[in-house]
Parts: sequence; structure tokens; C-alpha cells
Amino acid sequence: SYVLTQPPSVSVAPGQTARITCGGNNIGSKSVHWYQQKPGQAPVLVVYDDSDRPSGIPERFSGSNSGNTATLTISRVEAGDEADYYCQVWDSSSDHQEVFGGGTKLTVL
Amino acid sequence: QVQLVQSGAEVKKPGASVKVSCKASGYTFTSYYMHWVRQAPGQGLEWMGIINPSGGSTSYAQKFQGRVTMTRDTSTSTVYMELSSLRSEDTAVYYCARRNSQLEAAFDIWGQGTMVTVSS
Repeated sequence: SYVLTQPPSVSVAPGQTARITCGGNNIGSKSVHWYQQKPGQAPVLVVYDDSDRPSGIPERFSGSNSGNTATLTISRVEAGDEADYYCQVWDSSSDHQEVFGGGTKLTVL
Repeated sequence: QVQLVQSGAEVKKPGASVKVSCKASGYTFTSYYMHWVRQAPGQGLEWMGIINPSGGSTSYAQKFQGRVTMTRDTSTSTVYMELSSLRSEDTAVYYCARRNSQLEAAFDIWGQGTMVTVSS
């Protein structure tokens, strides 16, 4: 089955740029989605199809995807961005299922 | 507004079954597939399966095949997820999430979650 690998944690100071990676075999050929989850809340879609933002999501959130790594970039990080972030793809191989990365805890110092 | 409202928390004994509901509003129920995702305490997100509310067809994650059943009631715009033969490892928050084909099949709307506790 397809595996997505994320770093368990990323720390960044307010106002700086946070980059959260999501590794997978030839992930560049897949459409990657990113979700933000704050404690006690349901996940929220922040980036879809590698780099597009749903309505209502700040331009500070962006994404890229190439080769074996997809990246979620959060510019001008704010305290309110502290959360868990998950990448997700659809595995079109024999399993035909949705796959989530293990999640990354973003800490704003 | 578009929203998914789930049923309340459940406490079940090992070996029992649980049925969680997810009521959709604010959009055409039969136009969007619905996923079920669970999250054990302190853990990540785990995909369980998907249902087409229009025809009722389903696809389940291999891990849950034989134990999970997803159904829908178009008259009330509600989808259901039933998990049987519960064990302690099934203790988790269960979410329904809408699949949006216009957003490259991303999960664009999530329910608030239903906590299921399995304990003797």
C-alpha cells in the first residue's frame, strides 16, 4: 500500500515561514491535499490539488508537489496557525483507497 | 450553509456494534460522495471507506472489510456508518467528510465528529 511520510513536528517563530513536507513514491504524479486540525476540532481543508486554496483560506497557505515530495508552505506564520497538518492522496494502485500522512505538529514559538 | 451534523457520543462494550449518523444540509445530498474517517486518541487520520449517496454503492478500506457497513437514506439526507465486533482499538472519533469532485476529490466539508468509546 502507498505510504506518506511527514515529519512529526515543525517549529517556527511568528512571522517566519513554515514548510511541512510529505514524502511518497512519485507523489509528484498524484494530487495532494492538505488539512489543518486544531485540538478538539475537525480537520479543515487548506490546500487542494497540490497548490490551490479553497475559498476563505488565506493566501499565506500555499503548496507545491514534485518528484517524491509535496510541501505545504505557510508564510508569515501566526500563533493561530499552530495545529496538526495532514497530507492526503488517493492511491490508484490495487488498493484504490485514500491515504493520509501521519501528521505534523506545527508549533509557533 | 453547507454542513454535516453527526450523532452523539457512544459507549459500547467489546463485541457490540455501533451506528453513527451524518446528516447533510445546504447542498444536493446525492451529488457528492461521502467518506468516513476515524482518529484514535492522539493519533492520525485513518480512512475507512466511501459511499455514493445517489446509488448507495460503497468501497471500504481493506482493514475494515467485513466489519463496516455504510448506508444512506436519501429521504433525510443522512449517511450511516455501522462498525461491528467492536474492540478497544476502535475507540476513536469518527468523522464523515464530503468528497468534492470540483476540488479534485478533496474532503471539503467535515462533520463535527462522533466519539465512540469501546470499554468493558
